[in-house]
Amino acid sequence: GQNIDQPTEMTATEGAIVQINCTYQTSGFNGLFWYQQHAGEAPTFLSYNVLDGLEEKGRFSSFLSRSKGYSYLLLKELQMKDSASYLCAVNRDDKIIFGKGTRLHILP
Amino acid sequence: DAGVTQSPTHLIKTRGQHVTLRCSPISGHKSVSWYQQVLGQGPQFIFQYYEKEERGRGNFPDRFSARQFPNYSSELNVNALLLGDSALYLCASSGLGDRGLHEQYFGPGTRLTVT
Repeated sequence: GQNIDQPTEMTATEGAIVQINCTYQTSGFNGLFWYQQHAGEAPTFLSYNVLDGLEEKGRFSSFLSRSKGYSYLLLKELQMKDSASYLCAVNRDDKIIFGKGTRLHILP
Repeated sequence: DAGVTQSPTHLIKTRGQHVTLRCSPISGHKSVSWYQQVLGQGPQFIFQYYEKEERGRGNFPDRFSARQFPNYSSELNVNALLLGDSALYLCASSGLGDRGLHEQYFGPGTRLTVT
């Protein structure tokens, strides 16, 4: 994924909190997306960060540090329906480059 | 309000044929992007169009081409199909503001199988 790195798989327990990290090359950076994708479905938009800091949307929050080339997606109060792949994507020079995604497994 | 629509949903072609995939963006969105996603991988960027002009191109061969129409709908064409072109083809639309691409929404995709 052109130097966009995120863990391949993670496992967490229902009701818990999980943080999915993403690192990227900073050249040409314009912004960073997070998407959720359930098996066999299209990605669903979660967030788009342009400036440094934390943005919260309900149970999901996304953080960006442009100088460090680092972002994370924080999921709180995990539910079974949160079992999915989470894709980090960088807006770089008018191209959106995706990482390979993190498959999140939720245990009851 | 309708989201991004794509047609067809599924398609089976044989090697050497060509295919045309269609996409209609969200009303008011002027930018359309195309992606290829193979199983277990993230989507790979193919093209981005804004106001009928190509704004970005990914690392795909010249067999892949696209265009955007005055109503902002778009077509992706693939010639001389190879087995490796089998994938989910995703279209996404976004409203281009001062910040650049802000929210980008995907259509349901077209599942292409090349035999």
